[in-house]
Amino acid sequence: AQSVAQPEDQVNVAEGNPLTVKCTYSVSGNPYLFWYVQYPNRGLQFLLKYITGDNLVKGSYGFEAEFNKSQTSFHLKKPSALVSDSALYFCAVTSGSGAGSYQLTFGKGTKLSVIP
Amino acid sequence: GAVVSQHPSRVICKSGTSVKIECRSLDFQATTMFWYRQFPKQSLMLMATSNEGSKATYEQGVEKDKFLINHASLTLSTLTVTSAHPEDSSFYICSARDRRGGANEQFFGPGTRLTVL
Repeated sequence: AQSVAQPEDQVNVAEGNPLTVKCTYSVSGNPYLFWYVQYPNRGLQFLLKYITGDNLVKGSYGFEAEFNKSQTSFHLKKPSALVSDSALYFCAVTSGSGAGSYQLTFGKGTKLSVIP
Repeated sequence: GAVVSQHPSRVICKSGTSVKIECRSLDFQATTMFWYRQFPKQSLMLMATSNEGSKATYEQGVEKDKFLINHASLTLSTLTVTSAHPEDSSFYICSARDRRGGANEQFFGPGTRLTVL
């Protein structure tokens, strides 16, 4: 079975400071990792993904994430936070093979609050 | 590209009625669509996986007679909540996987807020 852990329910950061939202995963086979953002009463918006290749992935709105195989982590980062980044962030994983491949498993979400 | 729509965005109904939610892939063909349920301040829980032209695969604990899923074409899947009750009130989100596959990426609809009185 695959799983995702987002250890922080909430992250607070001052505007202009760097932010990190943590994610660790467990999956059989090669992991396909995703970050999504959700604003209130809205669906999920895709931020970035890791499939293969460079461990540092750059995505939308200045976000990036680093895949660390040995630590089974895929933390989301941004060098300088904006107030408009305040939202709910979900990490998700799937595997590229086997039963249930393509089915995403989500973490519980981390609420990011950027303080002006 | 890769836009998924849901209709309606919000529905309020009386207990005992049935509600149909549509999920459409607007600019691509989706061999597989997924239906999720999200309770307030919680994560998305996969309800079922829907493949075009075949029966949906439901996750454990999801009543298939309660949540009817029809994936009639490569661009449309519907979720019908039958005989809805207040405990069915939730945010329902669909996603679609591009037929061309490759990156295992799912594209999400904007969600449907169901309130059962």
